Amino acid sequence: DTAVSQTPKYLVTQMGNDKSIKCEQNLGHDTMYWYKQDSKKFLKIMFSYNNKELIINETVPNRFSPKSPDKAHLNLHINSLELGDSAVYFCASSQARGIYNEQFFGPGTRLTVL
Amino acid sequence: DAKTTQPPSMDCAEGRAANLPCNHSTISGNEYVYWYRQIHSQGPQYIIHGLKNNETNEMASLIITEDRKSSTLILPHATLRDTAVYYCIVRVGGTGGFKTIFGAGTRLFVKA
Repeated sequence: DTAVSQTPKYLVTQMGNDKSIKCEQNLGHDTMYWYKQDSKKFLKIMFSYNNKELIINETVPNRFSPKSPDKAHLNLHINSLELGDSAVYFCASSQARGIYNEQFFGPGTRLTVL
Repeated sequence: DAKTTQPPSMDCAEGRAANLPCNHSTISGNEYVYWYRQIHSQGPQYIIHGLKNNETNEMASLIITEDRKSSTLILPHATLRDTAVYYCIVRVGGTGGFKTIFGAGTRLFVKA
């Protein structure tokens, strides 16, 4: 069973469109994250949710809106897509309790904006 | 979160130990050292973490210097499947993501 899954794996779309990426974890974790990995391979956090509550929002344009319907799901909706949004987006989860922050990452969604 | 410095790339022969260094001279007393790796086209994978004592698990060993300004990740018997980018990150423990970027990491090539 996949611990952290994302759909779709690849997403190709036109500028100006609105798209969503879905993430689900079956690890029973309380905290989920979205990261963006750009063309230079730098991985940067975008959002973090703990028990469906937003706890980190790292200066991400408000075209990006995360939604957590329950603690096992964290979806990312992007409005008015721009060329610079092209990247690989990774979802991750971790257990909230304890001080150890081992994060489990999904396989990534490669977004290409044309 | 403290900044880390890693060599951009390293080679290792299959079956030999791979020693990956990381400098974190500005680390604070409550910051942990974490290591992740990313195999091509996959999500990052947790390897190990530590505070000040050396740590070992089934994947690797982590050696942290006494002043905590640097550390070394050791893969005792590297295999071809260990070819990946290895990221050294320091941050406080607890919830929340790694607020700093992962950085460029070290690209390890394991050769037959």
